[in-house]
Parts: sequence; structure tokens; C-alpha cells
Amino acid sequence: SQQGEEDPQALSIQEGENATMNCSYKTSINNLQWYRQNSGRGLVHLILIRSNEREKHSGRLRVTLDTSKKSSSLLITASRAADTASYFCATAVGDYKLSFGAGTTVTVRA
Amino acid sequence: KAGVTQTPRYLIKTRGQQVTLSCSPISGHRSVSWYQQTPGQGLQFLFEYFSETQRNKGNFPGRFSGRQFSNSRSEMNVSTLELGDSALYLCASSVQETQYFGPGTRLLVL
Repeated sequence: SQQGEEDPQALSIQEGENATMNCSYKTSINNLQWYRQNSGRGLVHLILIRSNEREKHSGRLRVTLDTSKKSSSLLITASRAADTASYFCATAVGDYKLSFGAGTTVTVRA
Repeated sequence: KAGVTQTPRYLIKTRGQQVTLSCSPISGHRSVSWYQQTPGQGLQFLFEYFSETQRNKGNFPGRFSGRQFSNSRSEMNVSTLELGDSALYLCASSVQETQYFGPGTRLLVL
């Protein structure tokens, strides 16, 4: 069974706009990670946030974590066509075992 | 450093056959994890190996097995293939919490 659930399932935005997607999970976690996947290829790691962190930034990415609500959000600012991809949140309960959500498909229109 | 490599990239098999997939981790990474990705079930954890020992296992039948060699390279085997085994099989290596994924092996079972 999947630990995380992303919302929305799909998102279509104009180039230059911001994209926000949310992830909810069920059990306590060690960390939460966000990955990107382009057209059924391998996953690319974007950012990791630990359970004792509330916010983290990496370039145009901003991730928040609310452990009391068991939720996280990923914000992509000033989106580009190259950001078109599926985005997955993954939670780590133990070591080296990730539980993925169903993903959010983001389409950035030129 | 070279990334995670997986061979073969594409594979077509028929029901009842068996298949072996190979994964070479990033140099220095001793942990290798395997995931199955299907449109219906999403990304699901298969198993994880560290120093030639299976440390974690997902909820898959015994037809799915794996092993890791002394050079950290890993193989996974699926015996008695079923149509439902058609999927993208992803391998990931890690040294701490972040997992680095290979491009995957796309398996089609006819």
C-alpha cells in the first residue's frame, strides 16, 4: 500500500507561473523526499526534508513539512517547459525503504 | 561519477518464462533498492540489499528475488512471469538517505 498521496493528480500551468502540489502521508516518518520523473524514465531526486525540519529551499523549489498534519507541499516557482514531468513524494519510515505516492503530473504550457 | 546503470533497458518475455535484470550502483554506494512501477499500482518497493544481504523486503510473491554481489552490483530475478509483471523496474543506490535511480528496465510480458 502507498504511504503518500499527492494532490492534485494533474496540474496544467502557464510558463512562468508557480506550481504547488501537496502530499499527505499516514505514519510517522524519518524524512520525506520529492522526486521528478520525465516520461516514464528514472526518478531524479529533488529535495529531502527531515522530520525535524519545517521548510527547505533548493533553487526554484520550496518544500514544507507539517508533521502534525502529516503533510508536505512542493512549490515550483517561475515554471519552465522543462518542469513538465510527474512529481512524487516518498516517505522513509525505516532506512532505505521509500514509500511513494501516486504522483502529480505537471504540464507547463508555453 | 557515473550514475546508476541498468541492463537491459527493454525486455519482452512470454508468460511462464523467467527474467534477470541487472543494476550497477554508483561507485561507493553499498545499498541497492529495487522498485516496480505500474500504471495501476504506482511505485512499489521490492527489496533492498546492503553488503550482499537483503535488509528490507516489500510485499511481493516469492517469484521475485534478488541478490547483491561483493562489488555492490545487484540482480533481480522474476520466475514464472505473469502478464501483471509487465512494468518498469527501477533500481536505486544510496549511501545515506537519498536514493539515486537508474533509467529502469521496461519489461513487457506477453
